[in-house]
Amino acid sequence: NAGVTQTPKFRILKIGQSMTLQCTQDMNHNYMYWYRQDPGMGLKLIYYSVGAGITDKGEVPNGYNVSRSTTEDFPLRLELAAPSQTSVYFCASSPPGSYEQYFGPGTRLTVT
Amino acid sequence: GENVEQHPSTLSVQEGDSAVIKCTYSDSASNYFPWYKQELGKGPQLIIDIRSNVGEKKDQRIAVTLNKTAKHFSLHITETQPEDSAVYFCAAPPWGLTGGGNKLTFGTGTQLKVEL
Repeated sequence: NAGVTQTPKFRILKIGQSMTLQCTQDMNHNYMYWYRQDPGMGLKLIYYSVGAGITDKGEVPNGYNVSRSTTEDFPLRLELAAPSQTSVYFCASSPPGSYEQYFGPGTRLTVT
Repeated sequence: GENVEQHPSTLSVQEGDSAVIKCTYSDSASNYFPWYKQELGKGPQLIIDIRSNVGEKKDQRIAVTLNKTAKHFSLHITETQPEDSAVYFCAAPPWGLTGGGNKLTFGTGTQLKVEL
């Protein structure tokens, strides 16, 4: 199993541009999550999904959108990128009945 | 929702010494407390967790203790080695939030440095 994979690893965006961060898991986990990690701030939940077709907002959803058309994929969309979205983004997944989350390697995004 | 505070933010120890990281939580209904380790350039990985029906759990050189009355739990690493250098996060479920999904609220992290 590859586990949780994320692409790209690094990206530089200009203010106002849009992009999609890709996340795929091959463990057949129902639950998936998107976090952002800022220095000294820990991990903040952006969006999560409990299964295909079901998504919900986390703690910091503004400026982001998600979709979950399949169990495997959970892309995160940034519209009109802003400098405040400069961060490291992590995708994670979890099987139902477990709180253990399996994280991807992250995407480092810079908005200038 | 759950508020999780973690201390210290940085910790430097000599190889072979012990390291202790502490977290406090706000929701007395929380019953699951994991610790994650994040190595440089990687995503966090679960290293140990504890449920509220036990006070301590050990796994080789790492242990977690829980004090439900005081609402805090701690990570203990004994005989530290250079490969223990990483960022460590505590977490707890935000029971006050709706929507399920087994969400976790993470602490702000502790940068542990083990010096030779």
